[in-house]
This record gives sequence, C-alpha cells and structure tokens, in this order.
Amino acid sequence: LAKTTQPISMDSYEGQEVNITCSHNNIATNDYITWYQQFPSQGPRFIIQGYKTKVTNEVASLFIPADRKSSTLSLPRVSLSDTAVYYCLVARSGNTPLVFGKGTRLSVIA
Amino acid sequence: EPEVTQTPSHQVTQMGQEVILRCVPISNHLYFYWYRQILGQKVEFLVSFYNNEISEKSEIFDDQFSVERPDGSNFTLKIRSTKLEDSAMYFCASSGMRGEKLFFGSGTQLSVL
Repeated sequence: LAKTTQPISMDSYEGQEVNITCSHNNIATNDYITWYQQFPSQGPRFIIQGYKTKVTNEVASLFIPADRKSSTLSLPRVSLSDTAVYYCLVARSGNTPLVFGKGTRLSVIA
Repeated sequence: EPEVTQTPSHQVTQMGQEVILRCVPISNHLYFYWYRQILGQKVEFLVSFYNNEISEKSEIFDDQFSVERPDGSNFTLKIRSTKLEDSAMYFCASSGMRGEKLFFGSGTQLSVL
C-alpha cells in the first residue's frame, strides 16, 4: 500500500478553515483515500473517503487532484472540539487492513 | 449512529496472566478487527476476522494472541500470557463489507504490571 506523509502538527484559531495535506506518491489505481479523526482515549472515527476530484459531507471536504498523488482534507470553521489527530490512509478496495501512520495533531485555540 | 461496544474500559493484570478483551460489533457487520495503540504511538493493526476465521494478521499477533467469536454478538481478543509491552489501548472495529469504513469502539486500556 502507498505510504502517506502528512504534517506532524498544525495549529489553528477557532472559526478558521483548516487544510491538511497528505502526500501519497505511490498510490495505485485501485487505491482510495480515507481520513479518520481520533480524540484522546477514543477510537478513530471515519471522516471522509474519496477516489478523485472532490468529496464533501457534513463534516469536511476532500480534494484530490487529477494525479491523485496528494489529497487535502478541509475542515470549515473549526471549533475547539475539532482538536484531534487526523489520519490520512490509502486503502485498496476489498483489501484490509487499514494501516495508520502518525497522523496530524490539530490544535484549535480560542 | 450504531456503536461498537468494548468491555472492560480498563483492565489491570499481572505479567504472565491471561486476559480476555471483549467487543460487541455492530449487529449486521461481517468483518471484525483488533487494533492497539501504545501510549503516544500510532494505531497498529493486529488481526482481521471474517466468516469465523482470521483473514489477516500482523507480526504483532503472535501465538500469545487469539481471537474468537463465541456467539453471534461477541468478538474477543485473548492474550495468553501478558507481557509488560502488551500494555496499550486495544480497539475493536467492525465493518459491514470488506473495504468499507471501519467503526471503532472506545477501547480497552490494558495495563500489565
């Protein structure tokens, strides 16, 4: 599976839009991109998943350029409760397991 | 939203003892997983389970570990003889279909003394 690289940490003020970029240069044709969120002492929680272009749900947007070598998770107007670790994962449809990296620790400050 | 339930939330045991961690996956899910997370480190895959047998396992999942689905609702992880380095948060997860998003439980914090 393609290795992912994302910033170790990010800081943001409340109300700002946060964009977390993940690179996955070796992504394969059958791979899709998934993002999870993890709060302290809790299990990871699925945020969004996409294959190409743009995906949006009630929580976030995911932007994937045509070459799919990177992806950007966009969190609109973050609040203090969005402080968490965000994981970018590349997974192959029908293939397990999900392999977690170190993620990006987002700190939202008032 | 449906939930994966794990018990106990905390387990303290002596080195060399056996522990069983319990999970109730989401009722109509077919794929079950155990992950663990040592304090301050990343979430690590242990094992996946489907159709009453192990689908995949990591190098961590050695002979000291076993999984079982003893009835239609529970999914258990047994560690036969715990070591200090087994201290971690253990997460159970389930999914409806292979490759679908995983639903994780809140974890069992295992402390081996």
